[in-house]
Amino acid sequence: EIVLTQSPGTLSLSPGERATLSCRASQSVSSSYLAWYQQKPGQAPRLLIYGASSRATGIPDRFSGSGSGTDFTLTISRLEPEDFAVYYCQQYDSSPWTFGQGTKVEIK
Amino acid sequence: EVRLLESGGNLVQPGGSLRLSCAASGFTFNSYAMTWVRQAPGKGLEWVSTVIGSGGDTNYADSVKGRFTISRDNSKNTLYLQMNSLRAEDTAVYYCAKGSAAAGRHYWGYWGQGTLVTVSS
Repeated sequence: EIVLTQSPGTLSLSPGERATLSCRASQSVSSSYLAWYQQKPGQAPRLLIYGASSRATGIPDRFSGSGSGTDFTLTISRLEPEDFAVYYCQQYDSSPWTFGQGTKVEIK
Repeated sequence: EVRLLESGGNLVQPGGSLRLSCAASGFTFNSYAMTWVRQAPGKGLEWVSTVIGSGGDTNYADSVKGRFTISRDNSKNTLYLQMNSLRAEDTAVYYCAKGSAAAGRHYWGYWGQGTLVTVSS
């Protein structure tokens, strides 16, 4: 099973700042089969990024994904008020499909 | 517009059974794998089970294998999750999600709003 470890657990930032979220895999994720999801309280997860770096339909370009192998990053270039949420990485390379434990981006 | 609407969540006693449904619309249902993901209160996301577009192959997390059964009725555009021998640790919001492909490696681009399953005496 591929274990995904996200860091930090919580990121305290102000609107307008840059957010950098990390996701590290216990073994290589081939062909970058990695996705990022955003979840707000009481809502379903929303796909942001797939294939490590491709933005999903309708996702603003301030969200970007990068990385390969075992190290992946989600960057939010300038935080908007609606971006404060929990973010999860997920690998779909090898079953069982697994999620990271999440990074909460909170308002400082 | 893709729509996924889960139903069937309820309070059930340990050892009991429950069947969840997910009504899909807005896409060609049999062309996409479908998945159940759950989230225990205050916790992260956990993949539960996936069924390919044709319904011919299924996959389960070890935590539910042998107790849960995923199925789909492509004539009704509906996904199911039959949950037996329920335990307290199965308490969660259960989401259905649409895959990006019929089978194989795929991500989940659309999610329902979730249905709450509570296992308690």
